[in-house]
Amino acid sequence: AQTVTQSQPEMSVQEAETVTLSCTYDTSESDYYLFWYKQPPSRQMILVIRQEAYKQQNATENRFSVNFQKAAKSFSLKISDSQLGDAAMYFCAYTISNFGNEKLTFGTGTRLTIIP
Amino acid sequence: GAGVSQSPRYKVTKRGQDVTLRCDPISSHATLYWYQQALGQGPEFLTYFNYEAQPDKSGLPSDRFSAERPEGSISTLTIQRTEQRDSAMYRCASSLGRGAYNEQFFGPGTRLTVL
Repeated sequence: AQTVTQSQPEMSVQEAETVTLSCTYDTSESDYYLFWYKQPPSRQMILVIRQEAYKQQNATENRFSVNFQKAAKSFSLKISDSQLGDAAMYFCAYTISNFGNEKLTFGTGTRLTIIP
Repeated sequence: GAGVSQSPRYKVTKRGQDVTLRCDPISSHATLYWYQQALGQGPEFLTYFNYEAQPDKSGLPSDRFSAERPEGSISTLTIQRTEQRDSAMYRCASSLGRGAYNEQFFGPGTRLTVL
């Protein structure tokens, strides 16, 4: 069974600084997708960034980037120039690429606090 | 609609009662998912629909849980004979179609409390 592990229940960072959130996963599949979702206090779930396993280039979305290490099964999220609005729970998630396995498997989350 | 909507946003019920939660997906989206999120945890997959078909029910915790999407649009999740352990946030998501490359858009969730 696929599992996603987030070993940092809580993280904090000074505003404008950079923070990295960790995620590891376990799978025997070779083709899959990885995601980072943000859950702010409003409790919405917002997709931050995603990575396709067959792509070697790390995904970036403005201030958000990932470090995808396929062999190590590691998928960390780097937030640069942290802003107060980045405060949220961040969930790492995984899904297999082929049809018939549609579900997202989530980690337990990391609560990120931004210190003004 | 503009986004995924869910109703009610909050539901408090007594143990043993039945509850029905509703999800209204984005109008062009063929695929709809239900997740359960316990406090302090990530969402866990319950089931999904592709139009009216329900190809995967593997995440439903027991036969007290059932879901429908009879016309391929709105979906309901029903929990019969609720138990305290059913207390959680229930999230619905929709996507254009099947396949991991289609982003899942989440609704605001229904927080269920079973007393």
